[in-house]
Amino acid sequence: GQNIDQPTEMTATEGAIVQINCTYQTSGFNGLFWYQQHAGEAPTFLSYNVLDGLEEKGRFSSFLSRSKGYSYLLLKELQMKDSASYLCATLDSNYQLIWGAGTKLIIKP
Amino acid sequence: GAVVSQHPSRVICKSGTSVKIECRSLDFQATTMFWYRQFPKQSLMLMATSNEGSKATYEQGVEKDKFLINHASLTLSTLTVTSAHPEDSSFYICSARVREHEQYFGPGTRLTVT
Repeated sequence: GQNIDQPTEMTATEGAIVQINCTYQTSGFNGLFWYQQHAGEAPTFLSYNVLDGLEEKGRFSSFLSRSKGYSYLLLKELQMKDSASYLCATLDSNYQLIWGAGTKLIIKP
Repeated sequence: GAVVSQHPSRVICKSGTSVKIECRSLDFQATTMFWYRQFPKQSLMLMATSNEGSKATYEQGVEKDKFLINHASLTLSTLTVTSAHPEDSSFYICSARVREHEQYFGPGTRLTVT
């Protein structure tokens, strides 16, 4: 079967660092995505990893370990506008996105 | 980046009526578009895959006669919710695939059926 697990909710403080984990089991693997979704809006693309390792893009970094079926999204220097849901999704053997339930990130001042 | 539009952004309709939602790729051609539905506090659920010039592929549990999909051109796919009921109220999102690992999402359509 196909399964993607990520925490339901996390809380962090403005200016701090937070790591959102994602574990997956999918039929075939053609990469892993992280999307940000604010309430009432469509998801926006953050990152795509298909090889093992860390991809850094400004305040956001994404890590992938294919052997462990594991990824994380690292957000640095948190800002209030980072309060959103963060969706982990994998691309299966048919190049279809398989979505996690999302992690709601709450930033406190 | 590529832009995908959806129209309307919000629609309220009466139970039993039909509603059409348009999804357009504005600056690129997309042979494949996807339609998702998202209920409050839940993740996106793929409803169907729309391929230009052919019939859509529906996910298990999605009624193809209720959710009509037409992908008549490389830049337009439409989703028609027929005989809408309150339980169809949801956030409908389309995406267009540029390359195998590259999709762009529309802004979504909030459907409320009264």
